Amino acid sequence: KNQVEQSPQSLIILEGKNCTLQCNYTVSPFSNLRWYKQDTGRGPVSLTIMTFSENTKSNGRYTATLDADTKQSSLHITASQLSDSASYICVVSAGNTNAGKSTFGDGTTLTVKP
Amino acid sequence: GEEVAQTPKHLVRGEGQKAKLYCAPIKGHSYVFWYQQVLKNEFKFLISFQNENVFDETGMPKERFSAKCLPNSPCSLEIQATKLEDSAVYFCASSLNRGTFSNQPQHFGDGTRLSIL
Repeated sequence: KNQVEQSPQSLIILEGKNCTLQCNYTVSPFSNLRWYKQDTGRGPVSLTIMTFSENTKSNGRYTATLDADTKQSSLHITASQLSDSASYICVVSAGNTNAGKSTFGDGTTLTVKP
Repeated sequence: GEEVAQTPKHLVRGEGQKAKLYCAPIKGHSYVFWYQQVLKNEFKFLISFQNENVFDETGMPKERFSAKCLPNSPCSLEIQATKLEDSAVYFCASSLNRGTFSNQPQHFGDGTRLSIL
């Protein structure tokens, strides 16, 4: 069964600090891995998308890494801001003919405090 | 438009009533996806469309749920005879092509919160 597990479940950090969120998956065959940011009451917004051949991708202060051998990904947030407070969701898609079948993690809730 | 527009933002129905949700994908996007978010971060895939054709409906509870994407109209998700367990936020997303197999992102709307009383 395809699974995506994220850790920690929640995290509180002070403004300006860095943090790293983890995502482990057992989706097979692997197609791509996406990190989304979901603000309260809003839809998810795509941060990064990585395919099998990519092991790092940056989007501003967000840097995602992918280790396809160990089936792990991380999202590193640098110099956190209050606006980074949100839920971060890891989504892994399988490489089959089904365009809609992505497996969502349960997310990490990040709170950035002043 | 440049954003996925979902209406209404909040819909309240009594148990047993019908509920209909709408989604206008980003202009030019060929694929539309519906998801159900029951708990805060638990997304369940319902159905996807390629233009007006159903692409994958394996996530749809067939008995009471139906969806359409007709030309020149918003896509819709309809739930007949609603149950308490249908209470959730329903998200629509669109992508330029088969987003989950390429580097094209899925663009999500802000969801419709359905409350069944």
